[in-house]
Amino acid sequence: ETGVTQSPTHLIKTRGQQVTLRCSSQSGHNTVSWYQQALGQGPQFIFQYYREEENGRGNFPPRFSGLQFPNYSSELNVNALELDDSALYLCASSLGQTPGYEQYFGPGTRLTVT
Amino acid sequence: AQKVTQAQTEISVVEKEDVTLDCVYETRDTTYYLFWYKQPPSGELVFLIRRNSFDEQNEISGRYSWNFQKSTSSFNFTITASQVVDSAVYFCALSELSTGTASKLTFGTGTRLQVTL
Repeated sequence: ETGVTQSPTHLIKTRGQQVTLRCSSQSGHNTVSWYQQALGQGPQFIFQYYREEENGRGNFPPRFSGLQFPNYSSELNVNALELDDSALYLCASSLGQTPGYEQYFGPGTRLTVT
Repeated sequence: AQKVTQAQTEISVVEKEDVTLDCVYETRDTTYYLFWYKQPPSGELVFLIRRNSFDEQNEISGRYSWNFQKSTSSFNFTITASQVVDSAVYFCALSELSTGTASKLTFGTGTRLQVTL
């Protein structure tokens, strides 16, 4: 059984640019959540996708957007990058979208904005 | 609003010592779920345990044990006979039923555990 994978591992972008991060969910999982983890902090919930629809969003501006594909893989897009967007971006998949399901995390993408 | 507090920023112990990581949570929901995750230096969050708000039984898994007390809104994690491989950042997290359909996890700020020989 393949776990959650993310690409790329590391990324360096310039302020104002756009970035796309990718996530493949664990086999059998139909729900993907994205989290942002700043250095020394706990992960912060960005949004969740269930069967290709966004079904929950944290306190992040609209320049953070996402997609989920029919195979349940997902993308996180961030437009107009700011220095504060530098963080570890974690993707998690689960068997369902309701609270209580265990979420399994990928290794993350470390984004640096200069 | 939900909140998770991990007051211990960093703990250092010598191998074989027992160590307890504290977690205090705030929620208005009667139905909620609590989690512990381990984050080694590689960065990947590793799921350790989930408890629901109706199950206050303590749980033991090998050297790990968890103490859930609703009366004090705490969900503490104890590692018995710690090992160097236990060195990591540990996060406590909360998920509430009232968030609707999304299984949003609210994390604490984490406790960094350093186990030395």
